[in-house]
Amino acid sequence: AQSVTQLDSQVPVFEEAPVELRCNYSSSVSVYLFWYVQYPNQGLQLLLKYLSGSTLVESINGFEAEFNKSQTSFHLRKPSVHISDTAEYFCAVSTLQGAQKLVFGQGTRLTINP
Amino acid sequence: ETGVTQSPTHLIKTRGQQVTLRCSSQSGHNTVSWYQQALGQGPQFIFQYYREEENGRGNFPPRFSGLQFPNYSSELNVNALELDDSALYLCASSSTGTVGNTIYFGEGSWLTVV
Repeated sequence: AQSVTQLDSQVPVFEEAPVELRCNYSSSVSVYLFWYVQYPNQGLQLLLKYLSGSTLVESINGFEAEFNKSQTSFHLRKPSVHISDTAEYFCAVSTLQGAQKLVFGQGTRLTINP
Repeated sequence: ETGVTQSPTHLIKTRGQQVTLRCSSQSGHNTVSWYQQALGQGPQFIFQYYREEENGRGNFPPRFSGLQFPNYSSELNVNALELDDSALYLCASSSTGTVGNTIYFGEGSWLTVV
């Protein structure tokens, strides 16, 4: 079975400051890794994913995440946040075979203060 | 805009009643999954349908059931509603057979059980 732990339930930061949202996972088999974002009163949107290859993956809006196999982590970072980044962020994993099932963490609420 | 549409967006039911939630998947996607997201929690996998058959199930009781139709749209049915069933129910569609393919979520149906 897989599990995901997001170490911070809430992260408040000031606009234009850097941010890191932490994610650790546990699995006995290889997994794919995802970050999803949920804006208020909306569904989930894929932010970025790691399948294979380069351990550093980037999104189109400036976020990046690095897969660290030895530490079983997939932390999300952004060097300079904007008010519009205020949202709930979910880390998730799925196995490579079987049903395409995502196992999510509890979420991290990112609040940007002006 | 993910192309996954869900209805209704909000509904209120009484404990013991039954509810049906509907989902229209993105064009070309033959796999539909349902997730339950309780307030302040990450989504939890309920089950997945592929080619009209259940293709994986999470830790939910049998009173949670589903259907997938030939056009790949889907229904989630919940019988004997309990107060703890109050949650956001998310439908997700994807195309199987593609390694690491993206799963697209709808905006969800908010169910309140009173």
